[in-house]
Amino acid sequence: DAGVTQSPTHLIKTRGQHVTLRCSPISGHKSVSWYQQVLGQGPQFIFQYYEKEERGRGNFPDRFSARQFPNYSSELNVNALLLGDSALYLCASSPIVGATDTQYFGPGTRLTVL
Amino acid sequence: GQSLEQPSEVTAVEGAIVQINCTYQTSGFYGLSWYQQHDGGAPTFLSYNALDGLEETGRFSSFLSRSDSYGYLLLQELQMKDSASYFCAVSPTNKLIFGTGTLLAVQP
Repeated sequence: DAGVTQSPTHLIKTRGQHVTLRCSPISGHKSVSWYQQVLGQGPQFIFQYYEKEERGRGNFPDRFSARQFPNYSSELNVNALLLGDSALYLCASSPIVGATDTQYFGPGTRLTVL
Repeated sequence: GQSLEQPSEVTAVEGAIVQINCTYQTSGFYGLSWYQQHDGGAPTFLSYNALDGLEETGRFSSFLSRSDSYGYLLLQELQMKDSASYFCAVSPTNKLIFGTGTLLAVQP
């Protein structure tokens, strides 16, 4: 079975631009979460979606938004990019949305903002 | 707020045993997890403690003491491929809060 997939693998943008990152969860998983990992730090929670509804939001500005589609795939959008948005963006899926569920991470999208 | 502190780096030799500690300040959580991450790749799940005590999974064991706000990951029979970053994480709700991460270097 395929794991969590993310696209693109790498992305270079300039300040002020907009970016869309995509994630496909493991087949049968209905919950998708997004994390930002700055170099040298642990991942930080951005959003969680379950059955197309937002179930959690981390401490990120409104420039960050996300959505989940009927096939449970998800997009993360970031507007008005700042240099500080340069990071590895990780997507994780789990079967449901319980707190004890193991989350399965994708390989991430490395975003560089110049 | 919630914070989880880990040593930034640990070095050990092949075949040895190493312990990576995690101390936390959090108001409540369901369990303590451990994830391994190689060189900026996908974090992979290693172990989960819902209750106090020791959980063993092959060469990896994890321990949790809620009264001491402390946990650790124990890696036995270290191999070169164990060189990676290790993160503890708590799940107070349906999200993961990660620790600061420990870079483990295994030397021959």
